[in-house]
Amino acid sequence: EAGVTQSPTHLIKTRGQQATLRCSPISGHTSVYWYQQALGLGLQFLLWYDEGEERNRGNFPPRFSGRQFPNYSSELNVNALELEDSALYLCASSQTSGTETQYFGPGTRLLVL
Amino acid sequence: EDQVTQSPEALRLQEGESSSLNCSYTVSGLRGLFWYRQDPGKGPEFLFTLYSAGEEKEKERLKATLTKKESFLHITAPKPEDSATYLCAVYRYSSASKIIFGSGTRLSIRP
Repeated sequence: EAGVTQSPTHLIKTRGQQATLRCSPISGHTSVYWYQQALGLGLQFLLWYDEGEERNRGNFPPRFSGRQFPNYSSELNVNALELEDSALYLCASSQTSGTETQYFGPGTRLLVL
Repeated sequence: EDQVTQSPEALRLQEGESSSLNCSYTVSGLRGLFWYRQDPGKGPEFLFTLYSAGEEKEKERLKATLTKKESFLHITAPKPEDSATYLCAVYRYSSASKIIFGSGTRLSIRP
C-alpha cells in the first residue's frame, strides 16, 4: 500500500514569491494535516482538512493557506514568502476525521533566499 | 495550557545499553498518545498509539508505556540503526482535534 506522498521534494524560492506544496494521502484516508518543522525545532501544526473542508488551523498568518480536493489530495500555499518560512513541510493523513493515527509523508524542503 | 515535554533532549548510548525516554504531558482530556521515530530530513515514522493509563505496546527493541502524567519509551539492547529522534505527541478530546508534539529526544547509539 502506498504511503503519503509529497511533491516537490525540494523547493527554492525568493522572498516575496509564492510556494505551492502538494500532498496525496494514503488511499482511504480522508483527513490531511500540514505541519512546519523549522531546522532544530519541533513540529508546528499548520492546517487540518477533512472532507474538503478546513477544520482547524494553527497559529500561522493568513498567508499560509490550502485546500483539499475531491480525491482528498491537498495543496498548501504560502504567499509573500519570508526567510523564516524556510523549513521542512510535512503532510500527514489519517483514516477518520482527526481521531486516528496520523501517517506522515517524506516532506518538502522549502528554502527561501 | 496543554504541554508536552520530552527528556532528555539528547541521549548517547553504547550499543546494547538499555535506557528509557520520557514524555510528560499536561493535557485536559487525553484521548491518545503517539510515539514516532524521525530520521534526519525525513517524515516521522509511526511507532505506537497508547490510549489509557497502564497500556503497554512493544515493537522489536522498543516498548512504550503510559501513565496518567507521562509515557516512557524503553529501548532494550539498542543497535546503531536505532539512532534517530523520537517524538511524542498527544491528542485530546476537543473540537480542535489537533495533536501537540513534544520537541523530541535525539538518540545516538555508538557501535
